[in-house]
Amino acid sequence: NAGVTQTPKFQVLKTGQSMTLQCAQDMNHNSMYWYRQDPGMGLRLIYYSASEGTTDKGEVPNGYNVSRLNKREFSLRLESAAPSQTSVYFCASSPRTGREDTQYFGPGTRLTVL
Amino acid sequence: ILNVEQSPQSLHVQEGDSTNFTCSFPSSNFYALHWYRWETAKSPEALFVMTLNGDEKKKGRISATLNTKEGYSYLYIKGSQPEDSATYLCAFSGAGSYQLTFGKGTKLSVIP
Repeated sequence: NAGVTQTPKFQVLKTGQSMTLQCAQDMNHNSMYWYRQDPGMGLRLIYYSASEGTTDKGEVPNGYNVSRLNKREFSLRLESAAPSQTSVYFCASSPRTGREDTQYFGPGTRLTVL
Repeated sequence: ILNVEQSPQSLHVQEGDSTNFTCSFPSSNFYALHWYRWETAKSPEALFVMTLNGDEKKKGRISATLNTKEGYSYLYIKGSQPEDSATYLCAFSGAGSYQLTFGKGTKLSVIP
């Protein structure tokens, strides 16, 4: 049982390049989330998907797009990477979007934009 | 933007000491308060979810209390062990949103 998986683990981009971060969960959860973690900051929500076919903006959505490909997969795309997007990105999932539902986190993707 | 504060930012304790730290959150529109434990190079893992004022939860040597009227939660670790070294995150969930707002965490180092 893998839980939440993310690829890649590490990535270095040049300013202006694009890339997609992949996330998959095998727990049959309805809801999925993308967060970023920056030094001295709490985890901040970028986008979330309450259920297959829906996505909503979080606290810091600018510069990102997401796709809920199916129930298992939720991808995060950077169309034109900027140095300000250097961060560690975490994907998470929960059974529902209930406010009391535990979120299960993936291992993270460390992204550096030069 | 909601303000979730955790204190202290970091602390060092000796093995065997008991310790506690605080999470402060908005007392209005409260729905749930989550605690996560985050070990270096790993993913955050859930410890507790609390929803009711006065809630107390316990998992082994770790326990948590909740005061929704005044907007704070305490996390206690009894008899700290080196394996308790981690960052402890709290996250607030309000009645008007499905989002979790995380604090910056308290980094605990237990010295053998």
